[in-house]
Amino acid sequence: DTGVSQDPRHKITKRGQNVTFRCDPISEHNRLYWYRQTLGQGPEFLTYFQNEAQLEKSRLLSDRFSAERPKGSFSTLEIQRTEQGDSAMYLCASSPGGDIDDQFFGPGTRLTVL
Amino acid sequence: GQNIDQPTEMTATEGAIVQINCTYQTSGFNGLFWYQQHAGEAPTFLSYNVLDGLEEKGRFSSFLSRSKGYSYLLLKELQMKDSASYLCAYMDSNYQLIWGAGTKLIIKP
Repeated sequence: DTGVSQDPRHKITKRGQNVTFRCDPISEHNRLYWYRQTLGQGPEFLTYFQNEAQLEKSRLLSDRFSAERPKGSFSTLEIQRTEQGDSAMYLCASSPGGDIDDQFFGPGTRLTVL
Repeated sequence: GQNIDQPTEMTATEGAIVQINCTYQTSGFNGLFWYQQHAGEAPTFLSYNVLDGLEEKGRFSSFLSRSKGYSYLLLKELQMKDSASYLCAYMDSNYQLIWGAGTKLIIKP
């Protein structure tokens, strides 16, 4: 399968714990995005990588959130000291760049903070 | 807040035609996207418009008017499997996608 993959698909954690999610983009895509989506809303931009460089980071992203893409391939999103408000679907997308640059989404990681 | 709007929910009949509208306001614009999202799944790309006019792709068509900040997605010959949320998003001057909240389309037999 050459699509975007995310791991884990579901994560249940207790408030205050740290969690880390992984995203493997489509191999030839150099752009990688992280979004958060809650029920009945569109995706909310979190951060964006061009290869290994983190080019944009939403000001909505508190210092508890950090993302890396160390070799310009897979990426990780870590949330420290989770709060109940962090419960959401975390989506990763990759795109090839170019004229259209449509984004291909992974299946998402659903986070539940108890 | 969001400066992109689309109806929250629409209902249509199997076999009919439905038009989902999207309006936006932005100073920098690099195209308008439509995505389909089934419940519990990730969004999947449907269409992209960067120039004014109609783009047709099978049963789905998308229209853009940049001067009016307006787009629509037209779905023909509706099938039950078309029941989903339809998200419009514009790409801003930083090449980031700004998303609407989505329109939940309910298809009735």
